[in-house]
Amino acid sequence: QKEVEQNSGPLSVPEGAIASLNCTYSDRGSQSFFWYRQYSGKSPELIMSIYSNGDKEDGRFTAQLNKASQYVSLLIRDSQPSDSATYLCAWRGAGSYQLTFGKGTKLSVIP
Amino acid sequence: GAVVSQHPSRVICKSGTSVKIECRSLDFQATTMFWYRQFPKQSLMLMATSNEGSKATYEQGVEKDKFLINHASLTLSTLTVTSAHPEDSSFYICSAETGGSGANVLTFGAGSRLTVL
Repeated sequence: QKEVEQNSGPLSVPEGAIASLNCTYSDRGSQSFFWYRQYSGKSPELIMSIYSNGDKEDGRFTAQLNKASQYVSLLIRDSQPSDSATYLCAWRGAGSYQLTFGKGTKLSVIP
Repeated sequence: GAVVSQHPSRVICKSGTSVKIECRSLDFQATTMFWYRQFPKQSLMLMATSNEGSKATYEQGVEKDKFLINHASLTLSTLTVTSAHPEDSSFYICSAETGGSGANVLTFGAGSRLTVL
């Protein structure tokens, strides 16, 4: 069964620190990886997408992909209280529109 | 940017009634839309893939006669929960691929919270 594994947390970090979120996946055929942020009671919103091995940076966010080790991570620098949310990683296989989601990691940034 | 509009955002209904949720793509055409369900503190679970002009593809364990999906146009997909029961209470979210050809980005609607009494 194709799965995405995430530590459900909660993960608490002080304001200004780096938050590190990790995700492992089981399907080596996975092609595309995504990080979504979901505030309580809201639908997910896309933060980052990554398709190639290595790092991808966008502002305070850095996504890291290691296909050999089958993990993808998200680093949030200078964490802010407004970053407090559940972060969902998701993957999609080649030629497919469907996303498979992890269970999400709840992040709390403490002022 | 592309917007996926979902309505209603909240609905409360009595057990045994049917509820329709609409998902619209604004300013773009969506031949394929996806319906997800999310129970409290759980992840999003794909229920079905809605295809314009053809039958929806349901995931294993999802009753197609209970969750009716209609995708009659390139901008509208509807999910009807028939004979709803309290266990159907959940957060239902639709999504569509946006960002242009090859962008591989799914944009989600705001979600519809269904409470069945």
